[in-house]
Amino acid sequence: EAGVVQSPRYKIIEKKQPVAFWCNPISGHNTLYWYRQNLGQGPELLIRYENEEAVDDSQLPKDRFSAERLKGVDSTLKIQPAELGDSAVYLCASSRLGQGANVLTFGAGSRLTVL
Amino acid sequence: QKEVEQNSGPLSVPEGAIASLNCTYSDRGSQSFFWYRQYSGKSPELIMFIYSNGDKEDGRFTAQLNKASQYVSLLIRDSQPSDSATYLCASRGGYNKLIFGAGTRLAVHP
Repeated sequence: EAGVVQSPRYKIIEKKQPVAFWCNPISGHNTLYWYRQNLGQGPELLIRYENEEAVDDSQLPKDRFSAERLKGVDSTLKIQPAELGDSAVYLCASSRLGQGANVLTFGAGSRLTVL
Repeated sequence: QKEVEQNSGPLSVPEGAIASLNCTYSDRGSQSFFWYRQYSGKSPELIMFIYSNGDKEDGRFTAQLNKASQYVSLLIRDSQPSDSATYLCASRGGYNKLIFGAGTRLAVHP
């Protein structure tokens, strides 16, 4: 079984530039999560999708961040414009709905550096 | 107060010893708890989860849950240098939300 696939693995941009991250979850996993992890901190949830529906986006900074999950499979997280404080690792994770719903499998992450 | 609190460490133990990692949570409605291991520069990977009060064992790992004290722990027996990593505690609370602590860094020295 292929794992959660994320791209790009690394991205360096200047502040005020846009950036986008892509995630392909494990096949059959209905729930998809985007987390942000700052250095020395635990992952912080940005948004959670159940199929195509964003069921929890309370922590997503909506003035500059957006996400979509068309067709309930792949997802894209966008930041526009990026700020210095957005430097972090953006982790995508997926899980099944129902029993064991919170057994998350994480992708390798996308490390963003904003200069 | 953070919702899930962990001592950042580092926790240093000699090879072969028992490592004890602790976590407290603030949401009394939390139903389940998870331990993830994260090697430097890698993504978190699930070690085990626990729903009921008491102990749950899986190989060298034992998770302990005390809901009355809002306390979760992870014991690693016969610690190996390969266990050196950051251990993240997470709780599932309202709206099925998984909240992570900041993690405890464990260093197992030969």
